[in-house]
Amino acid sequence: DGGITQSPKYLFRKEGQNVTLSCEQNLNHDAMYWYRQDPGQGLRLIYYSQIVNDFQKGDIAEGYSVSREKKESFPLTVTSAQKNPTAFYLCASSIVGQGRAHTGELFFGEGSRLTVL
Amino acid sequence: AQKITQTQPGMFVQEKEAVTLDCTYDTSDPSYGLFWYKQPSSGEMIFLIYQGSYDQQNATEGRYSLNFQKARKSANLVISASQLGDSAMYFCAMREEGTGRRALTFGSGTRLQVQP
Repeated sequence: DGGITQSPKYLFRKEGQNVTLSCEQNLNHDAMYWYRQDPGQGLRLIYYSQIVNDFQKGDIAEGYSVSREKKESFPLTVTSAQKNPTAFYLCASSIVGQGRAHTGELFFGEGSRLTVL
Repeated sequence: AQKITQTQPGMFVQEKEAVTLDCTYDTSDPSYGLFWYKQPSSGEMIFLIYQGSYDQQNATEGRYSLNFQKARKSANLVISASQLGDSAMYFCAMREEGTGRRALTFGSGTRLQVQP
């Protein structure tokens, strides 16, 4: 089945450690995204990529890094510079085409919940 | 300024009744898309419905319809005949086509609880 796979589902990290969240998609989508969700709040954009080997900062990129070496993969690293990393992280993908035939909705993975101890 | 505003943190509805979840947006881009997503307690985001800024008719998808009032910049979601399984967080989101950025900007959400 086509979809987006995020791993791990739950992750615990000590302060000062970097951690990498995996996101893989087999939908043949060009664009991929990382969002952060804090309890009771909406989603905030961390990074996005609309083509391989290119990515752009979102609204809250500080303390995070990404890479896009393959179309299918868009891993997110939460670095020790991220002051408050405990959150729910959602990866998504979409087509890039425009026009009436393309609503371009985002397809989401099931999320990764990161807790810093 | 907030691009997407959802003013109802929580809503209750009786099973089988209709409910309207409010969403207002702010943009100067003439071309934009509006989306509604459902997030059950498990956490995944489920796409419900889309409305383009140039669409003349309100979007409908099964029990979901979007009450699009362009002049008022509102895009309210209407769920008809509520079911217990509709209990979830609901998010309104927007994409501004003029930016070239495909990412969506989300509101803070409304928690809907359907009561038997």
